[in-house]
Amino acid sequence: GENVEQHPSTLSVQEGDSAVIKCTYSDSASNYFPWYKQELGKRPQLIIDIRSNVGEKKDQRIAVTLNKTAKHFSLHITETQPEDSAVYFCAASIGGSNYKLTFGKGTLLTVNP
Amino acid sequence: NAGVTQTPKFRVLKTGQSMTLLCAQDMNHEYMYWYRQDPGMGLRLIHYSVGEGTTAKGEVPDGYNVSRLKKQNFLLGLESAAPSQTSVYFCASSTRTGPPTDIQYFGAGTRLSVL
Repeated sequence: GENVEQHPSTLSVQEGDSAVIKCTYSDSASNYFPWYKQELGKRPQLIIDIRSNVGEKKDQRIAVTLNKTAKHFSLHITETQPEDSAVYFCAASIGGSNYKLTFGKGTLLTVNP
Repeated sequence: NAGVTQTPKFRVLKTGQSMTLLCAQDMNHEYMYWYRQDPGMGLRLIHYSVGEGTTAKGEVPDGYNVSRLKKQNFLLGLESAAPSQTSVYFCASSTRTGPPTDIQYFGAGTRLSVL
């Protein structure tokens, strides 16, 4: 089955710095790659997603890049703010069926004021 | 429009007891999912459904059963709870007939402790 590796498991940055989280996947048929943010005690919520026909997508301070050849994708957060502190999960669709996802184990991002 | 609603929010069980977790969505989504979240393990898919009357196994289905008798509801059952099933359970739903498509919307979670 699909395997998604996420790094780092924890990341601490100073407010205003950039943060990068990387994920690799194993299933070459995967074509949908969402990122979820989960604040402490809350539900996961989608922050950005990318599909295999696109190499990069941006939404204000967040961006995602995808390298299908190397089977990796990354989340970039610029000008980090304390409210960006949360656990971030990457995910990859399983076997080309976009409705089923395998999640990475998560990255705890801490933004220090 | 409540989105995805899970009941109960918290539950404590003794080993061997049974219980059912209820997930309800009001977005007319075809797909529904049950995940468990354990520290350091991310979200792991237990069972899922692609439509009313259908269910399928996910990554960690052992010890759980599900039913989708109505399109808006997805039930997760534990027949004989074990301490290893102590976890936070999340329900989610999605649609292919968007936009947007494929985005999974999560419920608030159920925190289950099995003693």
